[in-house]
Amino acid sequence: DAGVTQSPTHLIKTRGQHVTLRCSPISGHKSVSWYQQVLGQGPQFIFQYYEKEERGRGNFPDRFSARQFPNYSSELNVNALLLGDSALYLCASSFTSPEQGAKLFFGSGTQLSVL
Amino acid sequence: AQKVTQAQTEISVVEKEDVTLDCVYETRDTTYYLFWYKQPPSGELVFLIRRNSFDEQNEISGRYSWNFQKSTSSFNFTITASQVVDSAVYFCALGNTNAGKSTFGDGTTLTVKP
Repeated sequence: DAGVTQSPTHLIKTRGQHVTLRCSPISGHKSVSWYQQVLGQGPQFIFQYYEKEERGRGNFPDRFSARQFPNYSSELNVNALLLGDSALYLCASSFTSPEQGAKLFFGSGTQLSVL
Repeated sequence: AQKVTQAQTEISVVEKEDVTLDCVYETRDTTYYLFWYKQPPSGELVFLIRRNSFDEQNEISGRYSWNFQKSTSSFNFTITASQVVDSAVYFCALGNTNAGKSTFGDGTTLTVKP
């Protein structure tokens, strides 16, 4: 079975542009979370969706938005890119509901570079 | 607010040595989950172990073992007889009942030399 897939794997943008990152969860998983990982740091929580509803939002500006589709895939959108948005963006899926302490299955991430 | 501290930034050992990775956490929740993840150079975090706040029984799984002590808010992870393939960044994470919102430490880079 396929794991969590993310696209694209690498992306180069310039300041002020917009970017869309995509994630397909493991088949049967209904929860998707997004994390930002800056070099040398641990992942930081951005969003979590379960059954197509936003269940949690981290401390990120409104330039960051996300959604989950009926097939449980998800998109992360970032507007007005800043140099500081350069990071590895990780998507994670889980089978059970978040309240059950579900372990996360991560994709390989999208490396975003903002010039 | 939740916080996870991994005081060891980098650890280097020689193959077959045992190595313990430290993790200290802070939370006001009474129910929470603790995790260890491994991130090899490929970038994909891999789940290793999970413990909930009600289960302080320490276990061994193959070469991995963990020591959860609620009294000291610590969740340490030990690899016995380390191998070169264990070289990676290891992250400790804390999740509340909404575990999708896990809080990660900044990781410990483990290098196992042949």
